[in-house]
Amino acid sequence: DVKVTQSSRYLVKRTGEKVFLECVQDMDHENMFWYRQDPGLGLRLIYFSYDVKMKEKGDIPEGYSVSREKKERFSLILESASTNQTSMYLCASSTPRKGFSTGELFFGEGSRLTVL
Amino acid sequence: AQSVTQLDSHVSVSEGTPVLLRCNYSSSYSPSLFWYVQHPNKGLQLLLKYTSAATLVKGINGFEAEFKKSETSFHLTKPSAHMSDAAEYFCVVSDGWPGGSYIPTFGRGTSLIVHP
Repeated sequence: DVKVTQSSRYLVKRTGEKVFLECVQDMDHENMFWYRQDPGLGLRLIYFSYDVKMKEKGDIPEGYSVSREKKERFSLILESASTNQTSMYLCASSTPRKGFSTGELFFGEGSRLTVL
Repeated sequence: AQSVTQLDSHVSVSEGTPVLLRCNYSSSYSPSLFWYVQHPNKGLQLLLKYTSAATLVKGINGFEAEFKKSETSFHLTKPSAHMSDAAEYFCVVSDGWPGGSYIPTFGRGTSLIVHP
């Protein structure tokens, strides 16, 4: 089975702290994604990566950065955490689109971040 | 550009009665369409997907969805609800070939409530 592992299920941080959220997948997927989930807003894309060292901004990249030094690992970084970044963060991976078909997303269990 | 609208934020049913979760999409290209389920404090799991093959798609746990191009809909159904179906459900669209983005777009989610 595909496994996407997020390093921390629950984190509590203080305003201004630097926060690292780690995600590792074991299926050699090219694509990796970071989403933020808030009630009533669904999932919003923060960043995605389609290859090592490649990254593209999603819908809400402000206040976030990412790193992908190895194919299996995709990190989300909050340089200076703020209270409005309190949220559930979900990592996902997928195979690339092939012809007419888009690969399904495989998700980790999420990291719930609280910024005080 | 692609978009997806889940027509109900909450759906409430009694155990043993049919389930209907509604989803409309917009896509400039031949889309791939997905339904994901999220149980409390868990990541998202794929229920089913449509990728230009049969228009009636069967998924896990007795769910199915029908792709209707003329109505731009991809509604999720189940003949008989079970208590364990209580969860959040997300409809997802991804533009297909030849020029669409492979980045999935999520609906805002529908919370399914199942009463005993």
